[in-house]
Amino acid sequence: DVKVTQSSRYLVKRTGEKVFLECVQDMDHENMFWYRQDPGLGLRLIYFSYDVKMKEKGDIPEGYSVSREKKERFSLILESASTNQTSMYLCASSLTWGETQYFGPGTRLLVL
Amino acid sequence: EDKVVQSPLSLVVHEGDTVTLNCSYEVTNFRSLLWYKQEKKAPTFLFMLTSSGIEKKSGRLSSILDKKELFSILNITATQTGDSAIYLCAVVEGYGQNFVFGPGTRLSVLP
Repeated sequence: DVKVTQSSRYLVKRTGEKVFLECVQDMDHENMFWYRQDPGLGLRLIYFSYDVKMKEKGDIPEGYSVSREKKERFSLILESASTNQTSMYLCASSLTWGETQYFGPGTRLLVL
Repeated sequence: EDKVVQSPLSLVVHEGDTVTLNCSYEVTNFRSLLWYKQEKKAPTFLFMLTSSGIEKKSGRLSSILDKKELFSILNITATQTGDSAIYLCAVVEGYGQNFVFGPGTRLSVLP
């Protein structure tokens, strides 16, 4: 069974704080993704990575950065959190392009 | 343990056929069920269902939820090759609104 884990289920941060969200997958998948899910908007892709140290911007990368130093770990960084970044953040991984994406349980971030 | 099961896992049809994709779930404190279509990159949102028996429609796609029997179906009529994708079902559960995704159904529509 593929397992995708996210470091926190809930986070509460203050405006301006630096926030790290971590995602780990245990199936040697090449691709990893970070999304945010907001009511009425569905999943929006922030960044994805297709290999170690490789990253590509998704649809809404502004205000975010990512890091993939090891194949199994993909981190999402909010350099200076803002209230409009309050959301549910979902991480996913897939073996290769076009294969099923396996999702983690999500991290609910509240920025005050 | 919360889980979402989808069936079939893989399906091959010809253009014009009608397909029904199934999603059953066991979660505590159900809040909503979502369907997504996954092609190359990001899954695209199709439907969100929260109430039993109310069909949601969008063109050739429709979906309905049965909260008593704990399942949902996604129907696609008059399939086209562009419908070829992986269809993901996800259930949002708990006060924290955690997501539980199913394994997906890979649909291939042949010309």
